[in-house]
Amino acid sequence: SAVISQKPSRDICQRGTSLTIQCQVDSQVTMMFWYRQQPGQSLTLIATANQGSEATYESGFVIDKFPISRPNLTFSTLTVSNMSPEDSSIYLCSVEKGAWSNEQFFGPGTRLTVL
Amino acid sequence: KQEVTQIPAALSVPEGENLVLNCSFTDSAIYNLQWFRQDPGKGLTSLLLIQSSQREQTSGRLNASLDKSSGRSTLYIAASQPGDSATYLCAANTGFQKLVFGTGTRLLVSP
Repeated sequence: SAVISQKPSRDICQRGTSLTIQCQVDSQVTMMFWYRQQPGQSLTLIATANQGSEATYESGFVIDKFPISRPNLTFSTLTVSNMSPEDSSIYLCSVEKGAWSNEQFFGPGTRLTVL
Repeated sequence: KQEVTQIPAALSVPEGENLVLNCSFTDSAIYNLQWFRQDPGKGLTSLLLIQSSQREQTSGRLNASLDKSSGRSTLYIAASQPGDSATYLCAANTGFQKLVFGTGTRLLVSP
């Protein structure tokens, strides 16, 4: 398995500002993923982050709004830029572990409220 | 485009009952299917992962089955306990480790 931590665990932000969320893993992983869970909804993949390359974004998500960094094999950040109330969600990072199983493990999430 | 649906959306049972949660997916070309539980305000805990070549996986009181041809997976919980109360999510791995999540089943087990 993998132990994943996220910072901050929650935050309340003003409209128009930006927030950077950190994700730390206890072991080296090739792929890290960022998901969004809007209130009452299931999870939606935002982007896939591989170390040493640009993140790959899913349809509906753009780099200017959600810039991602992946400076090494245990760490990634997601920035939510120019926030609006519609960005209020739980943001989760995950990693894929296991040479054969491709099982994914998730961090505890960051609960973001935008006023 | 893969779509994943879970039925029922909510379930309330007395302690001790055996129960089945259902997960349906529209595209049978999946690499694996994973079941998670999510406690209120928390992240996801991986419960079981079934590879596309497998029919079922078991962990303790949990048993998950997979029928790719019919696009279905079920999670069976034996002898339910109040501590099982949570939202259960299934997710289909559509390739390159991209998970498409279902809508979730909110389970409440009463003492």
